[in-house]
Amino acid sequence: QSVLTQPPSVSAAPGQKVTISCSGRNSNIGNLYVSWFQHLPGTAPKLLIYDNNTRPSGIPDRFSGSKSGPSVTLDIAGLQTGDEADYYCGAWDANLNVGFFGGGTKVTVL
Amino acid sequence: EVQLVESGGGLVQPGRSLRLSCAASGFNFNDYALHWVRRVPGKGLEWVSGISWKNVVGYADSVKGRFTISRDNAKKSLFLEMRSLRTDDTGVYYCAKDRYPIIAAPEYWGQGALVTVSS
Repeated sequence: QSVLTQPPSVSAAPGQKVTISCSGRNSNIGNLYVSWFQHLPGTAPKLLIYDNNTRPSGIPDRFSGSKSGPSVTLDIAGLQTGDEADYYCGAWDANLNVGFFGGGTKVTVL
Repeated sequence: EVQLVESGGGLVQPGRSLRLSCAASGFNFNDYALHWVRRVPGKGLEWVSGISWKNVVGYADSVKGRFTISRDNAKKSLFLEMRSLRTDDTGVYYCAKDRYPIIAAPEYWGQGALVTVSS
């Protein structure tokens, strides 16, 4: 059982928006460094969002992250077929030097 | 261009040991934290271990006491010594460079090395 909880799957039609939530089970996730990753089978995971809501260079602004209290969310707007992948939130406690991933959310484009 | 190349994976029997290596290039290796993350079949990504630029280390509870992370700045290499391997350690092991000197946000990832623990 993951420390961070994500919905197992979300789906939407092309052009629509999906929202993936990530909540902490035993701690206030808002106090941690939270990132979001896209993972396609057989490839290296890709960082989409870091520090809750910051996009690395090269990541389209269709991907956005936000934080509200003990949970964080990833929004994918203007959904494309190429967005079909598994998405993971991850959180790191820089004081304890430990990290956690959510269980992952499979995004399906209908 | 940041490149991370893992090696050392393979088939190993339960209870045995294995050492993974990660060769890095394209960035100032000394200045960043590094991670090992594994993709476990049917379970998703699992953070395994991290090491800061000052060699402060951290481990997931599932590997604490069995795995040891280390880095060689002169050789720009990251290592993971895995002992007392169990079948549930099977997975693809990724090396990742952090955005920061501390363990905070894996940014660039290698392609992974497959570790299979089976008798």
